Amino acid sequence: EAAVTQSPRNKVAVTGGKVTLSCNQTNNHNNMYWYRQDTGHGLRLIHYSYGAGSTEKGDIPDGYKASRPSQENFSLILELATPSQTSVYFCASGDKTNNYAEQFFGPGTRLTVL
Amino acid sequence: GEKVEQHESTLSVREGDSAVINCTYTDTASSYFPWYKQEAGKSLHFVIDIRSNVDRKQSQRLIVLLDKKAKRFSLHITATQPEDSAIYFCAAVMSNYNVLYFGSGTKLTVEP
Repeated sequence: EAAVTQSPRNKVAVTGGKVTLSCNQTNNHNNMYWYRQDTGHGLRLIHYSYGAGSTEKGDIPDGYKASRPSQENFSLILELATPSQTSVYFCASGDKTNNYAEQFFGPGTRLTVL
Repeated sequence: GEKVEQHESTLSVREGDSAVINCTYTDTASSYFPWYKQEAGKSLHFVIDIRSNVDRKQSQRLIVLLDKKAKRFSLHITATQPEDSAIYFCAAVMSNYNVLYFGSGTKLTVEP
């Protein structure tokens, strides 16, 4: 079974503070993704990565940075957190099988920015 | 980029009835359509998919239909059970591409 873990699971931050969300996968997948989930919007892609050292912008990258220092780890960084970034964040990993990409999701991080 | 619209935001059915969730997509290059399930307070997990070379796929009580002409696909859950209650997300991806575009989710409630 695929294993994607996230830390922290819950985080309360102050406006203007720096927040780092971490994701680790033990599947040896090349691709990793960060999404946020908000009611009415479903899952929106923030950043993704094709492998160590690479990061790509998703649909809503503004206010977020990403870092992929290794195959296993993918971080999402909020340099100056704002209340609008209060959300549940999911990390996922995946790889192409038969030309399609199946994704395995972590448990999520609930972030509240006050 | 691709836009996936999920038409039912909520759906309520009686146990034993069928549930149908409909999605449409915009990009004719999309060729893979997975469905994910999210139970209350939990993460998402894959439940079934369909590829563009077929128009129907069944896995136990789950049936996915794909109409490429209409750019529409649907998830049918037959003989629903209370444990089917969850949020279901449809998604689309283009061949040789790695990004899934998700719909906004349908909250399915199966009432006993």
